[in-house]
Amino acid sequence: NAGVMQNPRHLVRRRGQEARLRCSPMKGHSHVYWYRQLPEEGLKFMVYLQKENIIDESGMPKERFSAEFPKEGPSILRIQQVVRGDSAAYFCASSPGMGGRETQYFGPGTRLLVL
Amino acid sequence: QKEVEQNSGPLSVPEGAIASLNCTYSDRVSQSFFWYRQYSGKSPELIMSIYSNGDKEDGRFTAQLNKASQYVSLLIRDSQPSDSATYLCAVNEGGGSNYKLTFGKGTLLTVNP
Repeated sequence: NAGVMQNPRHLVRRRGQEARLRCSPMKGHSHVYWYRQLPEEGLKFMVYLQKENIIDESGMPKERFSAEFPKEGPSILRIQQVVRGDSAAYFCASSPGMGGRETQYFGPGTRLLVL
Repeated sequence: QKEVEQNSGPLSVPEGAIASLNCTYSDRVSQSFFWYRQYSGKSPELIMSIYSNGDKEDGRFTAQLNKASQYVSLLIRDSQPSDSATYLCAVNEGGGSNYKLTFGKGTLLTVNP
Protein backbone atom coordinates (compact mmCIF):
# COMPACT_ATOMS: atom_id res chain seq x y z
CA ASN A 1 0.00 0.00 0.00
CA ALA A 2 1.75 3.12 -1.23
CA GLY A 3 -0.83 5.51 0.21
CA VAL A 4 -0.83 7.52 3.41
CA MET A 5 -1.39 5.23 6.36
CA GLN A 6 -2.94 6.17 9.66
CA ASN A 7 -3.59 4.15 12.76
CA PRO A 8 -5.59 3.45 14.65
CA ARG A 9 -8.61 4.01 12.45
CA HIS A 10 -10.86 4.32 15.46
CA LEU A 11 -9.84 5.29 18.97
CA VAL A 12 -11.98 5.53 22.07
CA ARG A 13 -10.67 7.32 25.11
CA ARG A 14 -12.15 8.44 28.39
CA ARG A 15 -11.83 12.02 29.51
CA GLY A 16 -8.38 12.70 30.91
CA GLN A 17 -6.61 9.94 28.99
CA GLU A 18 -4.01 10.42 26.28
CA ALA A 19 -4.56 9.81 22.59
CA ARG A 20 -1.73 9.02 20.18
CA LEU A 21 -2.45 9.13 16.48
CA ARG A 22 0.09 7.85 13.98
CA CYS A 23 0.67 8.71 10.36
CA SER A 24 3.04 7.24 7.81
CA PRO A 25 3.32 9.40 4.71
CA MET A 26 3.08 8.15 1.18
CA LYS A 27 6.29 6.57 -0.08
CA GLY A 28 8.67 9.26 -1.25
CA HIS A 29 6.87 12.02 0.64
CA SER A 30 8.68 13.99 3.31
CA HIS A 31 6.06 16.55 4.30
CA VAL A 32 3.21 15.76 6.66
CA TYR A 33 0.14 17.78 7.55
CA TRP A 34 -2.50 17.15 10.19
CA TYR A 35 -6.08 18.34 9.84
CA ARG A 36 -9.06 18.00 12.15
CA GLN A 37 -12.66 17.63 11.05
CA LEU A 38 -15.21 18.30 13.74
CA PRO A 39 -18.79 17.10 13.23
CA GLU A 40 -20.60 19.36 10.74
CA GLU A 41 -17.42 21.40 10.26
CA GLY A 42 -14.87 21.69 7.50
CA LEU A 43 -11.35 20.38 7.65
CA LYS A 44 -9.10 22.66 9.70
CA PHE A 45 -5.32 22.81 9.37
CA MET A 46 -3.48 21.93 12.56
CA VAL A 47 0.22 21.46 11.92
CA TYR A 48 2.80 21.01 9.16
CA LEU A 49 5.93 18.97 9.75
CA GLN A 50 9.01 17.86 7.93
CA LYS A 51 11.39 15.24 9.25
CA GLU A 52 12.48 16.34 12.75
CA ASN A 53 11.01 19.81 12.25
CA ILE A 54 7.72 21.49 13.04
CA ILE A 55 7.28 24.07 10.30
CA ASP A 56 3.92 25.54 11.27
CA GLU A 57 1.76 24.63 14.25
CA SER A 58 -0.46 27.69 14.10
CA GLY A 59 -3.63 25.63 13.82
CA MET A 60 -2.97 23.49 16.84
CA PRO A 61 -4.51 24.30 20.24
CA LYS A 62 -1.86 25.75 22.52
CA GLU A 63 -2.43 23.25 25.30
CA ARG A 64 -2.60 19.47 25.37
CA PHE A 65 -1.76 18.99 21.69
CA SER A 66 1.66 18.20 20.28
CA ALA A 67 3.05 16.72 17.10
CA GLU A 68 6.30 15.24 15.96
CA PHE A 69 7.81 13.65 12.88
CA PRO A 70 10.99 11.87 13.95
CA LYS A 71 13.84 10.91 11.68
CA GLU A 72 12.67 7.31 11.82
CA GLY A 73 9.08 6.20 12.14
CA PRO A 74 5.69 7.76 11.67
CA SER A 75 4.46 11.21 12.55
CA ILE A 76 2.64 11.31 15.88
CA LEU A 77 -0.17 13.61 16.93
CA ARG A 78 -0.52 13.47 20.68
CA ILE A 79 -3.47 14.76 22.67
CA GLN A 80 -3.06 14.79 26.42
CA GLN A 81 -5.93 14.81 28.91
CA VAL A 82 -8.57 14.48 26.23
CA VAL A 83 -11.93 16.19 26.59
CA ARG A 84 -15.22 15.48 24.83
CA GLY A 85 -14.63 18.41 22.48
CA ASP A 86 -11.61 16.57 21.05
CA SER A 87 -13.94 14.00 19.48
CA ALA A 88 -13.37 14.39 15.76
CA ALA A 89 -11.83 12.83 12.70
CA TYR A 90 -8.12 13.54 12.46
CA PHE A 91 -6.64 13.33 8.99
CA CYS A 92 -3.04 13.23 8.01
CA ALA A 93 -1.90 14.29 4.55
CA SER A 94 1.47 14.12 2.88
CA SER A 95 3.19 15.74 -0.06
CA PRO A 96 6.48 15.12 -1.85
CA GLY A 97 8.30 18.16 -0.53
CA MET A 98 9.82 18.96 -3.90
CA GLY A 99 8.77 22.61 -3.76
CA GLY A 100 6.51 24.43 -6.13
CA ARG A 101 2.91 23.39 -6.39
CA GLU A 102 2.39 20.54 -3.98
CA THR A 103 -0.68 18.39 -3.79
CA GLN A 104 -1.63 16.90 -0.46
CA TYR A 105 -2.89 13.32 -0.34
CA PHE A 106 -4.97 12.26 2.61
CA GLY A 107 -4.88 9.17 4.74
CA PRO A 108 -7.99 7.32 5.91
CA GLY A 109 -8.16 9.25 9.15
CA THR A 110 -8.45 8.38 12.82
CA ARG A 111 -11.88 8.79 14.37
CA LEU A 112 -11.41 9.76 17.99
CA LEU A 113 -14.31 9.39 20.39
CA VAL A 114 -13.94 10.74 23.90
CA LEU A 115 -16.39 9.32 26.41
CA GLN B 1 -9.36 35.32 8.50
CA LYS B 2 -9.06 33.53 5.17
CA GLU B 3 -12.34 31.97 4.11
CA VAL B 4 -13.60 29.53 1.55
CA GLU B 5 -17.34 29.53 0.98
CA GLN B 6 -19.44 26.80 -0.55
CA ASN B 7 -23.16 26.21 -0.72
CA SER B 8 -23.81 23.45 1.77
CA GLY B 9 -26.53 21.94 -0.36
CA PRO B 10 -27.80 19.40 -0.62
CA LEU B 11 -27.59 19.65 -4.38
CA SER B 12 -29.76 17.05 -6.00
CA VAL B 13 -29.47 16.16 -9.70
CA PRO B 14 -30.85 13.30 -11.77
CA GLU B 15 -28.53 10.67 -13.16
CA GLY B 16 -26.93 11.80 -16.40
CA ALA B 17 -27.30 15.51 -15.65
CA ILE B 18 -24.55 18.07 -15.10
CA ALA B 19 -23.79 18.92 -11.48
CA SER B 20 -22.32 22.37 -10.87
CA LEU B 21 -20.48 23.06 -7.63
CA ASN B 22 -19.27 26.53 -6.72
CA CYS B 23 -16.72 28.00 -4.37
CA THR B 24 -15.51 31.50 -3.53
CA TYR B 25 -12.41 32.41 -1.58
CA SER B 26 -11.24 35.50 0.22
CA ASP B 27 -7.42 35.37 -0.09
CA ARG B 28 -6.36 37.15 -3.28
CA VAL B 29 -2.83 35.74 -3.19
CA SER B 30 -3.99 32.12 -3.30
CA GLN B 31 -2.36 30.25 -6.15
CA SER B 32 -3.51 26.64 -5.91
CA PHE B 33 -7.04 25.34 -5.86
CA PHE B 34 -8.27 21.84 -5.27
CA TRP B 35 -11.47 19.85 -5.34
CA TYR B 36 -11.71 16.85 -3.04
CA ARG B 37 -14.52 14.32 -2.82
CA GLN B 38 -15.44 12.87 0.55
CA TYR B 39 -17.81 9.97 0.97
CA SER B 40 -19.56 9.73 4.32
CA GLY B 41 -17.18 8.43 6.95
CA LYS B 42 -14.24 8.39 4.55
CA SER B 43 -11.24 10.59 3.87
CA PRO B 44 -10.97 13.36 1.26
CA GLU B 45 -9.94 12.10 -2.16
CA LEU B 46 -8.35 14.49 -4.64
CA ILE B 47 -10.36 14.98 -7.81
CA MET B 48 -8.84 18.02 -9.48
CA SER B 49 -6.24 20.70 -8.99
CA ILE B 50 -6.18 23.96 -10.92
CA TYR B 51 -3.68 26.79 -10.85
CA SER B 52 -4.40 29.02 -13.86
CA ASN B 53 -7.45 30.95 -14.96
CA GLY B 54 -9.72 29.06 -17.30
CA ASP B 55 -10.94 25.51 -17.56
CA LYS B 56 -9.23 22.22 -16.82
CA GLU B 57 -10.87 18.99 -17.90
CA ASP B 58 -10.28 15.46 -16.63
CA GLY B 59 -12.75 12.89 -17.81
CA ARG B 60 -16.23 13.85 -16.64
CA PHE B 61 -14.86 16.59 -14.40
CA THR B 62 -14.10 20.19 -15.36
CA ALA B 63 -12.66 22.71 -12.97
CA GLN B 64 -13.01 26.40 -13.72
CA LEU B 65 -10.98 29.18 -12.11
CA ASN B 66 -11.50 32.91 -12.20
CA LYS B 67 -8.95 34.64 -10.00
CA ALA B 68 -10.33 38.11 -10.67
CA SER B 69 -13.68 37.04 -9.25
CA GLN B 70 -12.06 34.75 -6.66
CA TYR B 71 -14.24 31.95 -7.85
CA VAL B 72 -13.63 28.30 -8.61
CA SER B 73 -16.15 25.73 -9.75
CA LEU B 74 -16.43 22.05 -10.52
CA LEU B 75 -18.68 20.63 -13.20
CA ILE B 76 -19.52 16.94 -13.23
CA ARG B 77 -20.95 15.75 -16.54
CA ASP B 78 -23.09 12.64 -16.90
CA SER B 79 -23.53 12.45 -13.14
CA GLN B 80 -23.69 8.97 -11.68
CA PRO B 81 -25.17 7.79 -8.37
CA SER B 82 -21.60 6.92 -7.34
CA ASP B 83 -20.79 10.65 -7.53
CA SER B 84 -23.05 11.21 -4.52
CA ALA B 85 -20.70 12.61 -1.88
CA THR B 86 -19.59 15.82 -0.24
CA TYR B 87 -17.33 17.92 -2.44
CA LEU B 88 -14.73 20.02 -0.68
CA CYS B 89 -13.15 23.08 -2.18
CA ALA B 90 -9.65 23.77 -0.86
CA VAL B 91 -7.47 26.80 -1.43
CA ASN B 92 -3.87 27.31 -0.45
CA GLU B 93 -3.12 30.35 1.65
CA GLY B 94 -0.55 31.83 -0.64
CA GLY B 95 2.57 33.72 0.27
CA GLY B 96 4.82 32.17 2.86
CA SER B 97 2.12 29.78 4.04
CA ASN B 98 1.31 28.33 0.66
CA TYR B 99 1.34 24.79 2.08
CA LYS B 100 -1.66 25.53 4.26
CA LEU B 101 -4.99 24.51 2.79
CA THR B 102 -8.19 26.25 3.79
CA PHE B 103 -11.25 24.13 3.15
CA GLY B 104 -14.85 25.04 2.59
CA LYS B 105 -17.43 23.13 4.57
CA GLY B 106 -18.37 21.19 1.47
CA THR B 107 -21.39 20.75 -0.77
CA LEU B 108 -23.40 17.57 -0.42
CA LEU B 109 -24.27 16.21 -3.86
CA THR B 110 -26.97 13.59 -4.37
CA VAL B 111 -27.37 11.99 -7.79
CA ASN B 112 -30.74 10.31 -8.12
CA PRO B 113 -31.04 7.18 -10.30
